[in-house]
Amino acid sequence: EDKVVQSPLSLVVHEGDTVTLNCSYEVTNFRSLLWYKQEKKAPTFLFMLTSSGIEKKSGRLSSILDKKELFSILNITATQTGDSAIYLCAVTTAGNKLTFGGGTRVLVKP
Amino acid sequence: DGGITQSPKYLFRKEGQNVTLSCEQNLNHDAMYWYRQDPGQGLRLIYYSQIVNDFQKGDIAEGYSVSREKKESFPLTVTSAQKNPTAFYLCASSFIAGVSTGELFFGEGSRLTVL
Repeated sequence: EDKVVQSPLSLVVHEGDTVTLNCSYEVTNFRSLLWYKQEKKAPTFLFMLTSSGIEKKSGRLSSILDKKELFSILNITATQTGDSAIYLCAVTTAGNKLTFGGGTRVLVKP
Repeated sequence: DGGITQSPKYLFRKEGQNVTLSCEQNLNHDAMYWYRQDPGQGLRLIYYSQIVNDFQKGDIAEGYSVSREKKESFPLTVTSAQKNPTAFYLCASSFIAGVSTGELFFGEGSRLTVL
């Protein structure tokens, strides 16, 4: 069975802090790792990672994948209250199966 | 406008009743997915389908059933065999090539409450 595990389950930070979210996986026939942000209902896409060691950046968010150790991290620098959300990690495998992790709930306090 | 539509948004049912959640997309996507989300948690895969008349079980398929008779439609039935059906259900779709790139479109979700 494919497994995607995220940590921590939740965290509370203050505006301006930096957060690091972790995602580890054990899957068969890995194709890509995806990060999503879910604020209310539908998740929105953040990053797609397929190669080890190549950092993806978008504003204050960045992410990197380690295919040898089977994990990825998502960093958020200079956090703002608008960053409060559930962050979801997902892995796609051959056969177009998309497996999500349990999510990390981030709360940014003013 | 193209998109993916789930209905109903909210649904109440009594124990022992089956209920069907609708998911329709007009994006010409090949792949469609059903996920369940419990409060404060991630998404768990129930069923997914890559082509018409074919679908695969996800990690928590027990107590659920689906059909894919048309490309645009992927309804999910929550049967009375599902022990704890109260949850938020999300449907998603994608082109086959888009799955690995994260180009997944999500519906707005259906919240099912069993009384």
